[in-house]
Amino acid sequence: AQSVTQLDSQVPVFEEAPVELRCNYSSSVSVYLFWYVQYPNQGLQLLLKYLSGSTLVKGINGFEAEFNKSQTSFHLRKPSVHISDTAEYFCAVSEFGEKLTFGTGTRLTIIP
Amino acid sequence: GAVVSQHPSWVICKSGTSVKIECRSLDFQATTMFWYRQFPKQSLMLMATSNEGSKATYEQGVEKDKFLINHASLTLSTLTVTSAHPEDSSFYICSASGGTAGAQYFGPGTRLLVL
Repeated sequence: AQSVTQLDSQVPVFEEAPVELRCNYSSSVSVYLFWYVQYPNQGLQLLLKYLSGSTLVKGINGFEAEFNKSQTSFHLRKPSVHISDTAEYFCAVSEFGEKLTFGTGTRLTIIP
Repeated sequence: GAVVSQHPSWVICKSGTSVKIECRSLDFQATTMFWYRQFPKQSLMLMATSNEGSKATYEQGVEKDKFLINHASLTLSTLTVTSAHPEDSSFYICSASGGTAGAQYFGPGTRLLVL
């Protein structure tokens, strides 16, 4: 069975500083990997996804993530954060493109 | 593209009543739709997966007679919470998959409060 671990439940970062949100997964087969962002009282918005090919994936709002198969990781990064990036971020994995398994989420708080 | 809507966005109802939530894919055909439940400050828990024209597949521990799912067309799925109780109060989110490998596209969610 697949699983996702987001070790950091909360990450405070100063505005314009870089940020990395960590995600590790486990699966016995090849997977698709995703990062979603959730703003308060809203649904989830897809930030980026890795299906195959280049291991560095660029998404919306200046975010990128790198798939590392040997470390089974898919960390999310942004070189310079903005106040508007304050939100909950979820890493998710799916096997064969079927149902998603979500991590527990990381709350990113940007400090002015 | 890939817009999913939900209606209503919030609902307050009395204990014992039934509530229907609609999920629509507005600009693509959704071969598969998913229903999630999210408790405050927690992750999403998959409740069920529905494919157009067939019965939904429920996750372990989810009562299919309480959470009725209908996926009548490629653009519409409904979740009916029957005989709702206060413990059913939650944020319900649907998502839709259009068949192109990978992503699910999420609706904005429906907040249900059962009094």
